[in-house]
Order: sequence, then C-alpha cells, then structure tokens
Amino acid sequence: QKEVEQNSGPLSVPEGAIASLNCTYSDRGSQSFFWYRQYSGKSPELIMFIYSNGDKEDGRFTAQLNKASQYVSLLIRDSQPSDSATYLCASQGGYSTLTFGKGTMLLVSP
Amino acid sequence: DGGITQSPKYLFRKEGQNVTLSCEQNLNHDAMYWYRQDPGQGLRLIYYSQIVNDFQKGDIAEGYSVSREKKESFPLTVTSAQKNPTAFYLCASSPRNGPSQYSPLHFGNGTRLTVT
Repeated sequence: QKEVEQNSGPLSVPEGAIASLNCTYSDRGSQSFFWYRQYSGKSPELIMFIYSNGDKEDGRFTAQLNKASQYVSLLIRDSQPSDSATYLCASQGGYSTLTFGKGTMLLVSP
Repeated sequence: DGGITQSPKYLFRKEGQNVTLSCEQNLNHDAMYWYRQDPGQGLRLIYYSQIVNDFQKGDIAEGYSVSREKKESFPLTVTSAQKNPTAFYLCASSPRNGPSQYSPLHFGNGTRLTVT
C-alpha cells in the first residue's frame, strides 16, 4: 500500500527563520510530488510541485527531492506568521490519483 | 470565474440517515474526486471518476456511494452504513490524465458534516 509519512508537528519557528518540512514515501513508482498548504477549516492550495531529483525554488519556497532515499522536503525561507498552516505532502505515480500524508502543522511566532 | 462549488458548507444529520453532498464544477475537467479529512489527518480518497458514467473506489469507499451522470456534477452520498461519518469532505477536479504541475487538483471549499 502506498504511504506518505510526515511528522505531525507542530513545528515551531520564529519569524524570519527557515522552516524545514520533511516527507517520506513508500512507493518507488511515485514520480511526482506536491506540497499543499492548508489553513484551518479551509481547502488545500498547491504551493510546490517537483518531479526531478534535486532542488526547485519558487520565491521563498524550495522543494527538494531525493528518489534514492524516497524523501521530499520543503524549505520556507524568511518564515512569516502568515505561513502558519498545515503542510500536506502528496505523491503521484504516473497519471494516477494523489496519496496524501497526514500533514505537518507549522507555527511561526512573531 | 471557474471553480468548484460544494454545498452546503455545514451539514447536520441524525445517525441512521443518508445524506448527499453536492459538488459542481465549471472548469471543464473530466476527473473528479471526493476526499475525507479527519482532525489531524491528511486527505483520504473515497471515490473518483475520470469520465461520465464511470467511477472507481478509493481507499475508504465503504459506506459511501457516488454518481456521475453529468461532467459537471459528482454528488457523494454518505449512507447509514458509514460508521463514523462526521468529517470534513472535500471535492476536487483535474483534467482526465490526473493532476500535474500545469493543472493541479482544484479543491472546493468543503462540507463539514456532523452526525449525532
């Protein structure tokens, strides 16, 4: 069974620091990976997508993928209180549906 | 504006009653999905449909039923057989070939169902 594992947190960081969120996956056939941000009571919104080994940067966000270690991470630089949310990691094999992790709660204190 | 509409936002039902959650999209997407989310949990797939009049069970389909008579609509019925129906339900859509970086899953705003 496909599984995506995340530390539930909360991960607490001060404003301006780098937040590092991690995710591991069990299915070696997974090809693409998504990071979603979800505010309490709201629907998830996509913030990063990655399918190649290495780093992908978009503004303050950097996604990192290591397929050999089956590991995906999300770095948030210059963390802001508005970044406080739950971050969901999801894997996808080919054109199939997404498998979501349970999410990591991030708390950024002013 | 294109999007996904879920209604109602909050729904209350008595135990033993069936209840239907509405999901309508005007994105012209072929694929639609229903996810369930419990507190502190990620999203678990209930059912999905890649084309009209066809749908597949997800990881937790027991106690649920769906229909896909129109491309725009994918209603979910929570039956009395579902043992723990209280949850946050999210509907999503994507092009037929599944989500991608160019067309990620589009989510509705969700329906919070409470069964007592």
